[in-house]
Amino acid sequence: EAGVVQSPRYKIIEKKQPVAFWCNPISGHNTLYWYLQNLGQGPELLIRYENEEAVDDSQLPKDRFSAERLKGVDSTLKIQPAELGDSAVYLCASSQGLAGAVKQFFGPGTRLTVL
Amino acid sequence: AQKVTQAQTEISVVEKEDVTLDCVYETRDTTYYLFWYKQPPSGELVFLIRRNSFDEQNEISGRYSWNFQKSTSSFNFTITASQVVDSAVYFCALSELWSNFGNEKLTFGTGTRLTIIP
Repeated sequence: EAGVVQSPRYKIIEKKQPVAFWCNPISGHNTLYWYLQNLGQGPELLIRYENEEAVDDSQLPKDRFSAERLKGVDSTLKIQPAELGDSAVYLCASSQGLAGAVKQFFGPGTRLTVL
Repeated sequence: AQKVTQAQTEISVVEKEDVTLDCVYETRDTTYYLFWYKQPPSGELVFLIRRNSFDEQNEISGRYSWNFQKSTSSFNFTITASQVVDSAVYFCALSELWSNFGNEKLTFGTGTRLTIIP
């Protein structure tokens, strides 16, 4: 069974440029998560989708971040414009069932460097 | 608010030694889940264990064991006879199910970087 797929694995951009990350969850998983992981820290939830609906986006900085999961399968996270402080690893995860009670399957992440 | 503390930032042990990773949590809920995840250098977090708040029975899985103590709000992880492949960052996480029902999310600790020296 294929795991969570993310691309690109690495991205280097100049500040003020836009950037997008893509995630394809495990087949059949209705819940998809985007996390931000700063260096030396644990992952922090940015947004959670149940199928195509964003059910928790309270931690998403909506002035520059946006996300979509149009058909309830794969998802895209966008930053526009990027700032120096956005340099981090962006992790995608998926699961099936009650979000807080089940294990999540993580992708390898996208490491973003903003210069 | 839920909080997870992993006070050990980095630990190094020689191969075959036993090592315990500490995790202390804070929650006002009586219903919650605790998790441990492993993050190897490849980057993706790998699920190790889930424990609900009503099950204080300790668990052993091969060289791994977990000690859950509600009285001290701790959920410690022990690796017996450590191996080089155990080198990774380990995260403890908490999910409250009652106060956040319908909006559950994992709160991760800051992680412990474990290095096994050959």
